[in-house]
Amino acid sequence: NAGVTQTPKFQVLKTGQSMTLQCAQDMNHNSMYWYRQDPGMGLRLIYYSASEGTTDKGEVPNGYNVSRLNKREFSLRLESAAPSQTSVYFCASSDGTGPTQYFGPGTRLTVL
Amino acid sequence: QQQVKQSPQSLIVQKGGISIINCAYENTAFDYFPWYQQFPGKGPALLIAIRPDVSEKKEGRFTISFNKSAKQFSLHIMDSQPGDSATYFCAASRRPNNDMRFGAGTRLTVKP
Repeated sequence: NAGVTQTPKFQVLKTGQSMTLQCAQDMNHNSMYWYRQDPGMGLRLIYYSASEGTTDKGEVPNGYNVSRLNKREFSLRLESAAPSQTSVYFCASSDGTGPTQYFGPGTRLTVL
Repeated sequence: QQQVKQSPQSLIVQKGGISIINCAYENTAFDYFPWYQQFPGKGPALLIAIRPDVSEKKEGRFTISFNKSAKQFSLHIMDSQPGDSATYFCAASRRPNNDMRFGAGTRLTVKP
């Protein structure tokens, strides 16, 4: 039981490049979330998926898109990366009946 | 504008002492208040959580105190240990989607 896994662990992009961050959970959870963590800002919700087939914007969705591929997988895409998107990205999941969220190990992204 | 304000930013405590971290929120629709612990290079992990219908919750050395009228809650770590050195985040969420808002974090250092 791996919990929430994220790939890659580290990534360096140039401004304007695109990439997709992958997240998978093996806990049969209904809800999944993407956050970014910046120094002094805590974690801020980018997008979430309350259940398979649905996605909604969080606090800071601009510049990102998401896909809930199936119940296990929730990906985050940066279409045209900007230096302001340099951050650590965390994926989380919850069973949907309760609020407890379980976090992955994070992806450290640098945009030059 | 952060919906959950956390203080202090950093805290140094001697081994065996009491660590206290405070949070305040504005939105009275929040109905779940967790504390997360994060070690360097790891994702946040749930430490303890409380609902607004109780004023205190204790789990081992960790206690949440909740003041609904003041819209404040705090984490107390009794008999603090060097292994407690980590960053602590308070958060608040609301039903039905449980989208969570985090405080900025407190870096706790427990000196031996």
